[in-house]
Amino acid sequence: QSALTQPPSASGSPGQSVTISCTGTSSDVGDYNYVSWYQQHPGKAPKLMIYEVTKRPSGVPARFSGSKSGNTASLTVSGLQAEDEADYYCSSYAGSNKLVFGGGTKLTVL
Amino acid sequence: QVQLVQSGSELKKPGASVKVSCKASGYTLTRYAMNWVRQAPGQGLEWMGWINTKTGNPTFAQGFTGRFVFSLDTSVSTAFLQIFSLKAEDTAVYYCARDSGSGGYYTDVWGKGTTVTVSS
Repeated sequence: QSALTQPPSASGSPGQSVTISCTGTSSDVGDYNYVSWYQQHPGKAPKLMIYEVTKRPSGVPARFSGSKSGNTASLTVSGLQAEDEADYYCSSYAGSNKLVFGGGTKLTVL
Repeated sequence: QVQLVQSGSELKKPGASVKVSCKASGYTLTRYAMNWVRQAPGQGLEWMGWINTKTGNPTFAQGFTGRFVFSLDTSVSTAFLQIFSLKAEDTAVYYCARDSGSGGYYTDVWGKGTTVTVSS
């Protein structure tokens, strides 16, 4: 299975909104509502931010939201804060009990 | 609290093998599948596969067959990743990550990672 496609970088000023895309195929993102998003700060383990396309685990701020249209999923961060600066990875179920990650997006808060 | 405690960093020579451990605490290991994820230096996350902790049956991603073994020791609530015939390109941080158990194909708890360095 090929990695999902994410833009290498994204940026926004504090208080603004930014959306990160994650493009797959009809065999992964397009076929299943099992897209998740992870946040990773430098030197740290990834942290789950969104699961099943739109759901937020407890403790994750409501500023983080997810959506999907066709083969592309998106993560939107509203009201950007300095601590949101991190790498973000999408993941999707790809059938046959397999997962696939995106290449990652480095989010910079200007 | 629920956590995954991984073993410490390893420095190995090419051709050697390494065994990384991931000890589950705060929950029963066999109730949740365990994933393994690789992150090469400066690179993204790469899903290696997972092990069914009830049956011990592994599933590997493309590119992780042959030299990679997932195993368990349920008596000590620990999952293992073993890599044989190490190559320089195996240098990476290896994470264990618990499947949520909800059928949603996502991981909700991650270990802190184990750095494996392969160098002569």
